[in-house]
Amino acid sequence: AQTVTQSQPEMSVQEAETVTLSCTYDTSESDYYLFWYKQPPSRQMILVIRQEAYKQQNATENRFSVNFQKAAKSFSLKISDSQLGDAAMYFCAYRRETSGSRLTFGEGTQLTVNP
Amino acid sequence: DVKVTQSSRYLVKRTGEKVFLECVQDMDHENMFWYRQDPGLGLRLIYFSYDVKMKEKGDIPEGYSVSREKKERFSLILESASTNQTSMYLCASSLGSAGGKLFFGSGTQLSVL
Repeated sequence: AQTVTQSQPEMSVQEAETVTLSCTYDTSESDYYLFWYKQPPSRQMILVIRQEAYKQQNATENRFSVNFQKAAKSFSLKISDSQLGDAAMYFCAYRRETSGSRLTFGEGTQLTVNP
Repeated sequence: DVKVTQSSRYLVKRTGEKVFLECVQDMDHENMFWYRQDPGLGLRLIYFSYDVKMKEKGDIPEGYSVSREKKERFSLILESASTNQTSMYLCASSLGSAGGKLFFGSGTQLSVL
């Protein structure tokens, strides 16, 4: 079974600084997708970024980028120029290429942004 | 924008009660999911459905059942609520295509006393 591990239950960053959230996963598959979701206090889950395993290039979305290391099964999220609105719970998630949209989530990392 | 609506934001029930959590999506998505969210455990899949009247067990189906009589509605049923089912329940939906983006509801915080 696939597992996703986020080893940092809590992280904090100063406004305008950069922070990196860690995620590792375990799978025997070669084709899969990885995601970072954000859950603010409103509880509404928001997709931040997505990476296809077959793509070597790391995904980027504005201030959000990933460091995807397929051999190491590592998928970290970097948030640049952190803003107060980035404060949220962040979840890393994995999906097999053949399993429809069923996701396996990590434990979550609570990010605090200090003004 | 896709909207996934969960019928209650907060719910308080007694041990042994039968509990229904309702979820409705308005974008004709084939796939619907029920997750449970607990601190330190992340989201865990309870049940999912790829089509009307179709259901499959997720990772933690014990104590739960589901119903999907119409494409837009996916219900989670706690046959006899227990205190260890106190949790946040999240519904989600997606298109059937590979790589389909998951859209979530705002969650129901269920307390079983």
